[in-house]
Amino acid sequence: DAGITQSPRHKVTETGTPVTLRCHQTENHRYMYWYRQDPGHGLRLIHYSYGVKDTDKGEVSDGYSVSRSKTEDFLLTLESATSSQTSVYFCAISGQRERSYNEQFFGPGTRLTVL
Amino acid sequence: DAKTTQPPSMDCAEGRAANLPCNHSTISGNEYVYWYRQIHSQGPQYIIHGLKNNETNEMASLIITEDRKSSTLILPHATLRDTAVYYCIVRVATGAGSYQLTFGKGTKLSVIP
Repeated sequence: DAGITQSPRHKVTETGTPVTLRCHQTENHRYMYWYRQDPGHGLRLIHYSYGVKDTDKGEVSDGYSVSRSKTEDFLLTLESATSSQTSVYFCAISGQRERSYNEQFFGPGTRLTVL
Repeated sequence: DAKTTQPPSMDCAEGRAANLPCNHSTISGNEYVYWYRQIHSQGPQYIIHGLKNNETNEMASLIITEDRKSSTLILPHATLRDTAVYYCIVRVATGAGSYQLTFGKGTKLSVIP
């Protein structure tokens, strides 16, 4: 258990509303990532963070923003949710111990439905 | 786009070795091969990774060909709990010491009693 949690675990929202997903870690990992997974597909990177207030875009960043104001929390925001953002969102962490520089530990996921 | 190619599905008898192939013919010299698995809709779980040499840990073995264009993940004694989607991934550096894992569609492994 890498000490990573996501909240909420499930959310249903309407098109056009803002949504924020939270990833929380307790083991001082430097790197944090947000992925999305759609049916029949693998995970795709949305944004990642390499330190407090240091973030960068992944391959599917349009429509998403992130913030990391402290080591333990990485927030993913959908400013105006669309139906195409219905997905399962996974947070991942890495970089706390020598071994974990080579491993990304994944959270349990957040299932988001945009109606 | 994923830099790997895997068969969409495989079956394996319980107790037998499961050999999952992966092609990564465009891999660069400093890129690692990673394997993860995903059981049901849980978060992916790290299995093993390697660069050039074969690797073994408590979960599996990774055999990488000499030209590094393909690899095989071996689960030595598959159990029903090994039923999952297995992803072969080429790790790409994103800068600042972090890296991106680009997941393809993976191989759905079904372990048969």
